Amino acid sequence: ELKVEQNPLFLSMQEGKNYTIYCNYSTTSDRLYWYRQDPGKSLESLFVLLSNGAVKQEGRLMASLDTKARLSTLHITAAVHDLSATYFCAVDSGTYKYIFGTGTRLKVLA
Amino acid sequence: EAQVTQNPRYLITVTGKKLTVTCSQNMNHEYMSWYRQDPGLGLRQIYYSMNVEVTDKGDVPEGYKVSRKEKRNFPLILESPSPNQTSLYFCASSSTSGGNFREQFFGPGTRLTVL
Repeated sequence: ELKVEQNPLFLSMQEGKNYTIYCNYSTTSDRLYWYRQDPGKSLESLFVLLSNGAVKQEGRLMASLDTKARLSTLHITAAVHDLSATYFCAVDSGTYKYIFGTGTRLKVLA
Repeated sequence: EAQVTQNPRYLITVTGKKLTVTCSQNMNHEYMSWYRQDPGLGLRQIYYSMNVEVTDKGDVPEGYKVSRKEKRNFPLILESPSPNQTSLYFCASSSTSGGNFREQFFGPGTRLTVL
């Protein structure tokens, strides 16, 4: 059974600081997705990671995938208040079934 | 504008009264899926569809039905809703080809309360 674990579940950080969110999954998968959800809103796609060693960056966010370790990271550089949201990783089991992590609720304090 | 739409956005109903939540996408996506979001549990997949007339169960299909008669529409049906189906529901769609294939686009969500 595919399981996806994110940590931390909650993250409160000061503006300007760096931090990393971790996403571990339990079975082989070459495809991992990161989404952002603002309070009361829908999910927005951030990154699609399709192979081992994939790294993608957008602004202050950088995502990477290590399929051998079954680990993806979402690194936040010099956080700003606008990054406050809940971040989800999701793994494609290969059969068009998706398993989402429970989410990391990020709050960036001024 | 490329989008996934859901209706209704909010619904309060009573136990046992059949309801349908509609989902429509205008991106010609082959793949569509329904999720429910509950606090502390993230998103869980209910049903998905690879294409017209092709549907399959996700992780939590009990109490739900779906159909895919047209490529753009994927309604979620609750034949006899119960209070444990009170949740926030999202519909999503994606292409099955291309550079970012399987990147899902989500609808705005439907907040369902079953009394």
